[in-house]
Amino acid sequence: EAGVAQSPRYKIIEKRQSVAFWCNPISGHATLYWYQQILGQGPKLLIQFQNNGVVDDSQLPKDRFSAERLKGVDSTLKIQPAKLEDSAVYLCASSFYSAYNSPLHFGNGTRLTVT
Amino acid sequence: AQTVTQSQPEMSVQEAETVTLSCTYDTSENNYYLFWYKQPPSRQMILVIRQEAYKQQNATENRFSVNFQKAAKSFSLKISDSQLGDTAMYFCAFMKHVEYGNKLVFGAGTILRVKS
Repeated sequence: EAGVAQSPRYKIIEKRQSVAFWCNPISGHATLYWYQQILGQGPKLLIQFQNNGVVDDSQLPKDRFSAERLKGVDSTLKIQPAKLEDSAVYLCASSFYSAYNSPLHFGNGTRLTVT
Repeated sequence: AQTVTQSQPEMSVQEAETVTLSCTYDTSENNYYLFWYKQPPSRQMILVIRQEAYKQQNATENRFSVNFQKAAKSFSLKISDSQLGDTAMYFCAFMKHVEYGNKLVFGAGTILRVKS
């Protein structure tokens, strides 16, 4: 099966600019996650979708971050305006929600550098 | 809230030798899953091994095995016959089932370097 696809692979922007990341999960996976991984730390969940609905966005900085999953498939994560502390790898993952022990499958991530 | 602690920021091991990575977690849940993920420089998180909390038998996957101590809330990873390709960041993760999907919490990671 095809894996989780993410783009772009790298992005460099200046602070106060905006940026968007794209994710295409594994076909049939209803649950989609966006994680932020700051250098030297473990991934931190930003937002979790179940189909096209948000089920957990408690750690999403909503004043600057937004995400959507139109039609319950692809998802985009946007940052506007970006801050220096947003420099990180943004990982997208998906899982087959109906399986209790369904592991998460991750994409290769987007490395964002804010200068 | 669940927390996952990996107390070893970095570890080194000689090729063909055995190494153990430590992980402890804190939870009040009784049913949950534990995972070890590997993250090489390519950045993709790769599932190494998983353990169901209700199973007493430790999981094994080829050269990888775990020592799961539920009462102690400990979940260590043993890598036997270490290979150069095992060099990566290793993350311990805790997962519980929530109403819509699964919630995964990661530790801070351990960098493992396999030396030739």
